[in-house]
Amino acid sequence: LAKTTQPISMDSYEGQEVNITCSHNNIATNDYITWYQQFPSQGPRFIIQGYKTKVTNEVASLFIPADRKSSTLSLPRVSLSDTAVYYCLVGVFYNAGNNRKLIWGLGTSLAVNP
Amino acid sequence: EPEVTQTPSHQVTQMGQEVILRCVPISNHLYFYWYRQILGQKVEFLVSFYNNEISEKSEIFDDQFSVERPDGSNFTLKIRSTKLEDSAMYFCASSHREPDSPLHFGNGTRLTVT
Repeated sequence: LAKTTQPISMDSYEGQEVNITCSHNNIATNDYITWYQQFPSQGPRFIIQGYKTKVTNEVASLFIPADRKSSTLSLPRVSLSDTAVYYCLVGVFYNAGNNRKLIWGLGTSLAVNP
Repeated sequence: EPEVTQTPSHQVTQMGQEVILRCVPISNHLYFYWYRQILGQKVEFLVSFYNNEISEKSEIFDDQFSVERPDGSNFTLKIRSTKLEDSAMYFCASSHREPDSPLHFGNGTRLTVT
């Protein structure tokens, strides 16, 4: 099973760009990399997912180098409401790809200060 | 945007009692999951459900637990003979047809066992 490692916590200020890097040295060939955001007492919320190179959506960008052993979530111009825990997950496929068991770490607790 | 809904938001029960946690997944999703998160700890996979049967379960999901999809919309988690250590947030999630499609989580049920 792929395991992810990411910083326990990060601090930033409003308006700054925040980059959170996750390492996943044992990623398998057909694993995707997915990032979730979680606010206190709420369920995790999908942010972005990618397989290789760069993916961008309306809230974030995801950079994945060629070896796919790490990935970086980039949040442009963070605001106070971006204070949350951010999880990097690597999908583990089994049962002919019909099921998926995601392994969660402790995530990165991002604090955005005024 | 469609969302996963869970009821109740908070359930208090006495040790030894049975509880049923309810979830309404997003209507066109085919894969269903239960996760739990003990306060301050990791999100833990419990069980996945597809095509009206359990497709994978973790070591946490023992005989005390069961899941059911009694009709076309609800997905329930039953915990028999609750223990103090069952106190946690329980999250339901669903995903679309493709195995790599992201999970959509509900806001959870906080279960408190006294």
